[in-house]
Amino acid sequence: EAGVTQSPTHLIKTRGQQATLRCSPISGHTSVYWYQQALGLGLQFLLWYDEGEERNRGNFPPRFSGRQFPNYSSELNVNALELEDSALYLCASSHGTSGGNTDTQYFGPGTRLTVL
Amino acid sequence: GDSVTQMEGPVTLSEEAFLTINCTYTATGYPSLFWYVQYPGEGLQLLLKATKADDKGSNKGFEATYRKETTSFHLEKGSVQVSDSAVYFCALSRELDQLIWGAGTKLIIKP
Repeated sequence: EAGVTQSPTHLIKTRGQQATLRCSPISGHTSVYWYQQALGLGLQFLLWYDEGEERNRGNFPPRFSGRQFPNYSSELNVNALELEDSALYLCASSHGTSGGNTDTQYFGPGTRLTVL
Repeated sequence: GDSVTQMEGPVTLSEEAFLTINCTYTATGYPSLFWYVQYPGEGLQLLLKATKADDKGSNKGFEATYRKETTSFHLEKGSVQVSDSAVYFCALSRELDQLIWGAGTKLIIKP
């Protein structure tokens, strides 16, 4: 079974630009979660999508947004990039509401975003 | 709100030593508890989980027991190897929502 995949592996942008990160969940999973892992700040929850809808959002400004497509893949968009957005962005998937109460999240390898 | 506290690292041990990484949580209701591991330069891998009180999760020689009375989920391994060197994260979730994370504990195993 293929795991969660993310692209690109690395992304270098300059301040003020926009970044788009992509995630493909495990086949059969309908929930996708995004987390930010910044140096020294640990893991912070960003967004949760299930069945195409945003279900929950972490304490991040509106310039962090995303969407989930009909095939359950997801995009994370970060507008007006700031230096402190440099981090590893991790995507996870789970069975979500389609799988009852199964809540184990499986993670992709991450996208390393560097803002110069 | 919900929170997870785990012991600060780094934890440095010799090969074949006994490992304990402490994790305690604060949450209403009955969360699921997890240990994830992050090897250098890689993403997060699920190590083990427990979904109800007194459950024991185990994998690759690691174990953790869900103790509701002490709100703890300590990670243990009887004999660590150099290959166990990584960062270990304790986390909780309630139903399908976000994972709430501990700060992570870096484990260094010396040969």
